[in-house]
Amino acid sequence: EAGVAQSPRYKIIEKRQSVAFWCNPISGHATLYWYQQILGQGPKLLIQFQNNGVVDDSQLPKDRFSAERLKGVDSTLKIQPAKLEDSAVYLCASSWAGGAKDTQYFGPGTRLTVL
Amino acid sequence: GNSVTQMEGPVTLSEEAFLTINCTYTATGYPSLFWYVQYPGEGLQLLLKATKADDKGSNKGFEATYRKETTSFHLEKGSVQVSDSAVYFCALYNFNKFYFGSGTKLNVKP
Repeated sequence: EAGVAQSPRYKIIEKRQSVAFWCNPISGHATLYWYQQILGQGPKLLIQFQNNGVVDDSQLPKDRFSAERLKGVDSTLKIQPAKLEDSAVYLCASSWAGGAKDTQYFGPGTRLTVL
Repeated sequence: GNSVTQMEGPVTLSEEAFLTINCTYTATGYPSLFWYVQYPGEGLQLLLKATKADDKGSNKGFEATYRKETTSFHLEKGSVQVSDSAVYFCALYNFNKFYFGSGTKLNVKP
């Protein structure tokens, strides 16, 4: 089966610009996650969707970050305006239903550099 | 709160050496524990997991035992191969959220 797809793979922008990332989960997966992975750190959950509803967005900086999952399939994550500290790899993952017994499948990530 | 602490890397071993990567956690309640692996140029993938105390997860020759008394989930492999070179992440799942450690890079030399 096809894995989790993300685009673009790399993005370089200047601070205060906006950027958007796209994720297409594995077909049929109800749960979708966006993580931020800063260099030298582990992934940090930004937002979790169950179908097209938000389950958890407690660590999403809502003043600049937004995410949507229209129709409960693919998802976009936007940053506006970007700051230097947003430089990171943004990972998308999906699973059938979420939870500890359900395997998360990760995409290859989008590497964002903010200059 | 919930957190995961891993030993810092990189860890460099010769082929066929014994591997241990330490992982300890802080959590309330009864978390599930995981090891993920990220091979060069690829996304994270689940290596093994354990969902309750004393459970042992195993896969591809790797194993880890959920030790509640020491709040640990150390990753071990008896004989590493060059192809095991990767970054290994310990993670816990608690109250509907995943928490990851900072990762440990393993380099295996022929």
